[in-house]
Amino acid sequence: ETGVTQTPRHLVMGMTNKKSLKCEQHLGHNAMYWYKQSAKKPLELMFVYNFKEQTENNSVPSRFSPECPNSSHLFLHLHTLQPEDSALYLCASSQSASGGADTQYFGPGTRLTVL
Amino acid sequence: KQEVTQIPAALSVPEGENLVLNCSFTDSAIYNLQWFRQDPGKGLTSLLLIQSSQREQTSGRLNASLDKSSGRSTLYIAASQPGDSATYLCAVLPVSSGTYKYIFGTGTRLKVLA
Repeated sequence: ETGVTQTPRHLVMGMTNKKSLKCEQHLGHNAMYWYKQSAKKPLELMFVYNFKEQTENNSVPSRFSPECPNSSHLFLHLHTLQPEDSALYLCASSQSASGGADTQYFGPGTRLTVL
Repeated sequence: KQEVTQIPAALSVPEGENLVLNCSFTDSAIYNLQWFRQDPGKGLTSLLLIQSSQREQTSGRLNASLDKSSGRSTLYIAASQPGDSATYLCAVLPVSSGTYKYIFGTGTRLKVLA
């Protein structure tokens, strides 16, 4: 276990549904990240929060909406998704997002399927 | 724009072999390079982190080298075991993209046969 948990582990949703992914870290870190991993593509960074402030939105469509209520919790709210959004969504945390050398610790991911 | 390439995409070896996984990147201006392991359906586990000023890092049977000037890194696994079967990802942290925006390769899927 890395100290980063994600729920749910699997999610199937229709294009008109609204759902949320949750990430929690128990490492006392200050930075949290959302990544998308599609089949046969490199991991893509989606969002970064540093000390609860969003510091990166990597041109992510507005149908993905992140929320970081505190340094330990990160959510990804989903609505009106497309089938091409089906992927493994990974959450990670690190001590901060300004150190340059901080190891990122990853959760197990949520496997999302959009029908 | 930084690109990371990993060769081969898949590798199957008998148990006990020493093996080398390759990673190349196009821009040598990096803060560091990390090697990760990903088991099927799971998240990533950091194996080794090499700072730009370092040439190699070792952990147990794993040794990672970095040649920044040529844009290459290798992950050496000694005496491979079936438990080493996983996908190995290489990621670089470019100077140009801030202090946390790693660029990942697509990975090498390793299978070690008993």
